[in-house]
Amino acid sequence: KNEVEQSPQNLTAQEGEFITINCSYSVGISALHWLQQHPGGGIVSLFMLSSGKKKHGRLIATINIQEKHSSLHITASHPRDSAVYICAVDSNTGNQFYFGTGTSLTVIP
Amino acid sequence: DGGITQSPKYLFRKEGQNVTLSCEQNLNHDAMYWYRQDPGQGLRLIYYSQIVNDFQKGDIAEGYSVSREKKESFPLTVTSAQKNPTAFYLCASSIQGAYNEQFFGPGTRLTVL
Repeated sequence: KNEVEQSPQNLTAQEGEFITINCSYSVGISALHWLQQHPGGGIVSLFMLSSGKKKHGRLIATINIQEKHSSLHITASHPRDSAVYICAVDSNTGNQFYFGTGTSLTVIP
Repeated sequence: DGGITQSPKYLFRKEGQNVTLSCEQNLNHDAMYWYRQDPGQGLRLIYYSQIVNDFQKGDIAEGYSVSREKKESFPLTVTSAQKNPTAFYLCASSIQGAYNEQFFGPGTRLTVL
């Protein structure tokens, strides 16, 4: 059983489309993170949130603590958004992160 | 520039050899982590260290060893006891405490022939 589940696993979109990636988790958390991993392998942190909503450029992340669910939205998607998006939670029971398996996004021009 | 570095980016070794992966950070972070990433799986924690000269096993520590002699450095040794060492290895660091954001290195892809 995975503590963090993401959907979909793979996503292909046309440039300009609105994209949503979902994340559900089953543990108590102090924070949830959205990470982006490009084909080269490096990972960058997009958002860290513990409640509500955050926006950075065309990216929006929301979290519902009661439902243990988060979404990552990309507006006006672009081919450079093509990457693997990983949801991770920072457990509140210890110094432990749990990672989803990632959503592989391909945006076609 | 502050950051976290891993070297080398690609590493090839023969089966049966130990190999050490480097991880260095100049972010003044107390905590450092090693993860392994395999296709179709989430990142899995190998070892982590919250302070110099102290480290804890993660979920998949068997066949690996670490040291934390300096705050900036957290090298990972993949030993010959690790049954499936070919993988992508990521190092990360964070400040201590709650709501700690992890900063990741660029990763090392290890291939054992």
